[in-house]
Amino acid sequence: TQLLEQSPQFLSIQEGENLTVYCNSSSVFSSLQWYRQEPGEGPVLLVTVVTGGEVKKLKRLTFQFGDARKDSSLHITAAQPGDTGLYLCAGAANQGGKLIFGQGTELSVKP
Amino acid sequence: KAGVTQTPRYLIKTRGQQVTLSCSPISGHRSVSWYQQTPGQGLQFLFEYFSETQRNKGNFPGRFSGRQFSNSRSEMNVSTLELGDSALYLCASSPVVPRETQYFGPGTRLLVL
Repeated sequence: TQLLEQSPQFLSIQEGENLTVYCNSSSVFSSLQWYRQEPGEGPVLLVTVVTGGEVKKLKRLTFQFGDARKDSSLHITAAQPGDTGLYLCAGAANQGGKLIFGQGTELSVKP
Repeated sequence: KAGVTQTPRYLIKTRGQQVTLSCSPISGHRSVSWYQQTPGQGLQFLFEYFSETQRNKGNFPGRFSGRQFSNSRSEMNVSTLELGDSALYLCASSPVVPRETQYFGPGTRLLVL
């Protein structure tokens, strides 16, 4: 069974601080996606990483896929209150079309 | 392009009833997946449809079923509702290539009383 462990579960920081969210597994994924979800809404895709060792940047967000394609991280620089939300990592399982989700990281950025 | 749409957005049912949820994928997307999201279990995969065929199924009882139409629109049905079926049901669509990148709709919030 493929599992994704995401940490930390909760993060409360001040505006301007940096943070990193981790997503780890013992399984290899063909790709890994990061989403951000607001209460009562569906997850919004932030990025898809496909190649081991890949690094993608989206403004103040930096995403990295591990060399072995088993883990990933999301780093936010100078967090802002607008970054508040639930961050989810999801790995594409062996059978395409099925995503395995981590439990999510609830981020709160205080002004 | 319009995003994934789901109807209805909110639904209240009682135990034992059945419910049908609808999903319209992004234009041109042929794969539709369904997920259940609860505070305790997070997001769990229900099933995936492609070209009107179910290709993958998660570990949910047979009360959960779905189908896809020729225009790629999809429906999921839950029969004999239980209290534990209360959840946010999310539909996601993806293009044929790359297949794993999925775009989610806003979800249907189901409350079973």
